[in-house]
Amino acid sequence: RKEVEQDPGPFNVPEGATVAFNCTYSNSASQSFFWYRQDCRKEPKLLMSVYSSGNEDGRFTAQLNRASQYISLLIRDSKLSDSATYLCVVSPTTSGTYKYIFGTGTRLKVLA
Amino acid sequence: DAGVTQSPTHLIKTRGQQVTLRCSPKSGHDTVSWYQQALGQGPQFIFQYYEEEERQRGNFPDRFSGHQFPNYSSELNVNALLLGDSALYLCASSRGQGRNIQYFGAGTRLSVL
Repeated sequence: RKEVEQDPGPFNVPEGATVAFNCTYSNSASQSFFWYRQDCRKEPKLLMSVYSSGNEDGRFTAQLNRASQYISLLIRDSKLSDSATYLCVVSPTTSGTYKYIFGTGTRLKVLA
Repeated sequence: DAGVTQSPTHLIKTRGQQVTLRCSPKSGHDTVSWYQQALGQGPQFIFQYYEEEERQRGNFPDRFSGHQFPNYSSELNVNALLLGDSALYLCASSRGQGRNIQYFGAGTRLSVL
């Protein structure tokens, strides 16, 4: 079983739609959680950190459920510019060192 | 404020050769992590350097080695290249060893023929 699992998609949605991505992780000792966005052939860029209390940044809402080891990302009112791959990242600690474990990414294509 | 910079941007090598990739961290960052991203996959953690020492290593063979310099810049070396080493190699920098966000460079795209 992969440490971080995501549905690879692609998710093809019309402009203005609401779309949700899910991610599950296996290491219960994981400390930090993030969503990164990666455009084709570019580097991953931080979209948002994920907290148990949930956090919102404009049209984006992220949620963490530690009991179910589940992370979600909701995008409201999708824009063409939201088309990208969304990477779920889990960061466990080993002897005080944090590394990132990525999911395979979920591809989103927003259609005009 | 310069972000994370990597060089070269592209590289073509043949099987059995050796390659060195370079990374300069974002200003104020002292920790460098390296990742390998194969086509269609998420990045895979190779190793992390802090205070010029390898602090943690992923599931990569000894052919992958690294170094961190006193100015916090880092190198990734891969020996005896295999076709399967073809990938985008990403460097990420962060501040300290805590739960700090990692910022990525644009990567080096390595093709092994």
